[in-house]
Amino acid sequence: GAVVSQHPSWVICKSGTSVKIECRSLDFQATTMFWYRQFPKQSLMLMATSNEGSKATYEQGVEKDKFLINHASLTLSTLTVTSAHPEDSSFYICSARELTEQFFGPGTRLTVL
Amino acid sequence: GENVEQHPSTLSVQEGDSAVIKCTYSDSASNYFPWYKQELGKRPQLIIDIRSNVGEKKDQRIAVTLNKTAKHFSLHITETQPEDSAVYFCAAKDGADGLTFGKGTHLIIQP
Repeated sequence: GAVVSQHPSWVICKSGTSVKIECRSLDFQATTMFWYRQFPKQSLMLMATSNEGSKATYEQGVEKDKFLINHASLTLSTLTVTSAHPEDSSFYICSARELTEQFFGPGTRLTVL
Repeated sequence: GENVEQHPSTLSVQEGDSAVIKCTYSDSASNYFPWYKQELGKRPQLIIDIRSNVGEKKDQRIAVTLNKTAKHFSLHITETQPEDSAVYFCAAKDGADGLTFGKGTHLIIQP
């Protein structure tokens, strides 16, 4: 299947700083990528849909000014957590759609101190 | 939007027995129903999926059934093995939308 990478795999930051997470489709072009968040022992929650060349679509309850998404090319989407706080600590996973199937990245574990 | 309910939250079965996980969805427009297996700290891995024009699909020890009228679908694992122990998620999607996941089932295979 298609390969999706994420960088970094883990990050620890101080409260109030911003963190950028990259999601790349390595062997296919993805016009649509998705960002999910997963808290410990919970399910994946869709945060936003990232469309190449246009604004992201955010799910209800997700602050678009806090979670900035940029999908500047067909192989790269970035999620920036601005002014991170401890409650933002979570496992962030992206996925990229090829045809009708979604392929997940390995995830980024964010810890905000 | 879509709402997916998944049961049970924990399922413990003896090695060699069968395991069944059930999900219901709310949006009749949903047309794609994948199942993912997730091991601790790792990405979800697609194990099987079914589309709304099919009632059943099988891949070796894994099968999925879909009842569109009742809006529910199920995962069946036969002859369970220790390596089947993981958290399983069902999901549903409509067209270009992102996936809506169930809350997950922690499957424990007892030796």
